[in-house]
Amino acid sequence: KAGVTQTPRYLIKTRGQQVTLSCSPISGHRSVSWYQQTPGQGLQFLFEYFSETQRNKGNFPGRFSGRQFSNSRSEMNVSTLELGDSALYLCASSLLAKNIQYFGAGTRLSVL
Amino acid sequence: EDQVTQSPEALRLQEGESSSLNCSYTVSGLRGLFWYRQDPGKGPEFLFTLYSAGEEKEKERLKATLTKKESFLHITAPKPEDSATYLCAVQVSETSGSRLTFGEGTQLTVNP
Repeated sequence: KAGVTQTPRYLIKTRGQQVTLSCSPISGHRSVSWYQQTPGQGLQFLFEYFSETQRNKGNFPGRFSGRQFSNSRSEMNVSTLELGDSALYLCASSLLAKNIQYFGAGTRLSVL
Repeated sequence: EDQVTQSPEALRLQEGESSSLNCSYTVSGLRGLFWYRQDPGKGPEFLFTLYSAGEEKEKERLKATLTKKESFLHITAPKPEDSATYLCAVQVSETSGSRLTFGEGTQLTVNP
């Protein structure tokens, strides 16, 4: 069974640009969560989607947004990139909300 | 506010030298406590989940335990391949959905 797939694995952007990251969950999983990981802040929760609805949102500015499609695939978008947005963005899927979350390998975003 | 604190930040062991990692938490309404392992450049890999005080789980050289205020990850006779960052996370009340709150992690190095 394939795991959580995140694309692309690496991205380099410049300040002010926007970026879209993609996540394909484990087959059959309906809940997708996104996290940001930085050396200083560790892993921080961004948002969670379940059945195409955002159920929960972390303490991030409105520049961070996401969506989930009917096949449970999810995308997150960051607009007007800032240097501080450089991080590893991780997607996790679970069968249902509140179940064990399985993580993808992440997308490493560098903002120059 | 939910808080998770892991100690030590870094731990260096000789192969075969057993030790324990600590995860203390302050939350309102713990639903579950999770342990993950993360290798450099990869996403967190699920190890254990614990739901109630007194619960224990084992997997190979690892054993996780839970009390009302903390969890321990015991590593018995570690090998160099156990070197990784170990992350502890909590999942709280019904209203928080799948949100995980992570500690900063313990970076474990096992020397041959």
